[in-house]
Amino acid sequence: GESVGLHLPTLSVQEGDNSIINCAYSNSASDYFIWYKQESGKGPQFIIDIRSNMDKRQGQRVTVLLNKTVKHLSLQIAATQPGDSAVYFCAERVNYGGATNKLIFGTGTLLAVQP
Amino acid sequence: DAGITQSPRHKVTETGTPVTLRCHQTENHRYMYWYRQDPGHGLRLIHYSYGVKDTDKGEVSDGYSVSRSKTEDFLLTLESATSSQTSVYFCAINTGYNQPQHFGDGTRLSIL
Repeated sequence: GESVGLHLPTLSVQEGDNSIINCAYSNSASDYFIWYKQESGKGPQFIIDIRSNMDKRQGQRVTVLLNKTVKHLSLQIAATQPGDSAVYFCAERVNYGGATNKLIFGTGTLLAVQP
Repeated sequence: DAGITQSPRHKVTETGTPVTLRCHQTENHRYMYWYRQDPGHGLRLIHYSYGVKDTDKGEVSDGYSVSRSKTEDFLLTLESATSSQTSVYFCAINTGYNQPQHFGDGTRLSIL
């Protein structure tokens, strides 16, 4: 989930296992959520998104689950590979009625895949 | 590839000097954003633009200004850089309302 201080929480998994990364979002008015992957020295890369009228969405090897009751978002990665090693963070869009698409970002979780 | 180029990729400068970072997109998207990324914080919005000459402040806009004279270019300026502005700066574009933002590869800025 979210970072404490300057050190990112780390999830260490074995290659081939499934990974679950969690995110607690802040605002009950948020209506759109995104997961990003960030490798060292690169910009955030879009993985998958979900709107608030859904509770699950699947992509290639990834699934996002949304629980609006407890304001919780999770990213599941199936058959984790060494190339999945990166920082993962969530983003939420709070719907204030405008069209600016401004996002609030979490601080991230470091996924370390052990061969 | 969202067609976003940031320049320079790295810069070291001294306190009190002006600095301008450039973000260039190739796809004529209306919305562009500047963020900074620091340890212990999520990406924080500095300024954003919703069209040529149309810009607005984000949550950490103090000490920064922006300009957008062409759709494809969004400039971020530090008028008088301070050490607290040492950070990694990311530009992003938005392709539509219920679409994710897409990011450039960042500019690492060090102010000594």
